[in-house]
Amino acid sequence: KQEVTQIPAALSVPEGENLVLNCSFTDSAIYNLQWFRQDPGKGLTSLLLIQSSQREQTSGRLNASLDKSSGRSTLYIAASQPGDSATYLCAVIPSLKRSGAGSYQLTFGKGTKLSVIP
Amino acid sequence: GAGVSQSPRYKVAKRGQDVALRCDPISGHVSLFWYQQALGQGPEFLTYFQNEAQLDKSGLPSDRFFAERPEGSVSTLKIQRTQQEDSAVYLCASSLYSRPNTGELFFGEGSRLTVL
Repeated sequence: KQEVTQIPAALSVPEGENLVLNCSFTDSAIYNLQWFRQDPGKGLTSLLLIQSSQREQTSGRLNASLDKSSGRSTLYIAASQPGDSATYLCAVIPSLKRSGAGSYQLTFGKGTKLSVIP
Repeated sequence: GAGVSQSPRYKVAKRGQDVALRCDPISGHVSLFWYQQALGQGPEFLTYFQNEAQLDKSGLPSDRFFAERPEGSVSTLKIQRTQQEDSAVYLCASSLYSRPNTGELFFGEGSRLTVL
């Protein structure tokens, strides 16, 4: 069974710092990996999606990398701002070979709660 | 609508009551998912619809949970005889694709259920 772990569980940084959030998964047979942001009391907002054939994706100050063979992904946030404060979740979808009919189920980590201090 | 809409946003139920949670997906989206998110946890898969067909309900925790999407658009998640362990945020997500792993999912803001 796929397990997704996110470290650290919580992170507090001063405004302007660059930071890295980590995600690891136990089964490397994934179709894609997605990073989400969740604000308190809100749903999930998709940030970046990386297909299994890709190594990284970038959007503005965000850069996500994927090393499928080692079961790791990182989310890099440059020049952090107080508005970046939220919980960041990573999730994987298994490859069709691994899961057949269940290839649409996202398996989530517990998230990293980020606080950016002004 | 512009996004996935869920109602009610907050629901307090007494143990033993039945509840119904509604999801309005993005117009034209083929796939619809329900996830359950307990406090401090990541969301966990409950069930998946492709149009009106419920293709997977393997994540539903018990037979007290029932989901439907009769016309392939709006979906309702019903929980009968609620228990305290049902307290969670219930998230709905939709995707344009019938094979949703080819694209992104769009989530609603969730329905927070508290069972007293």
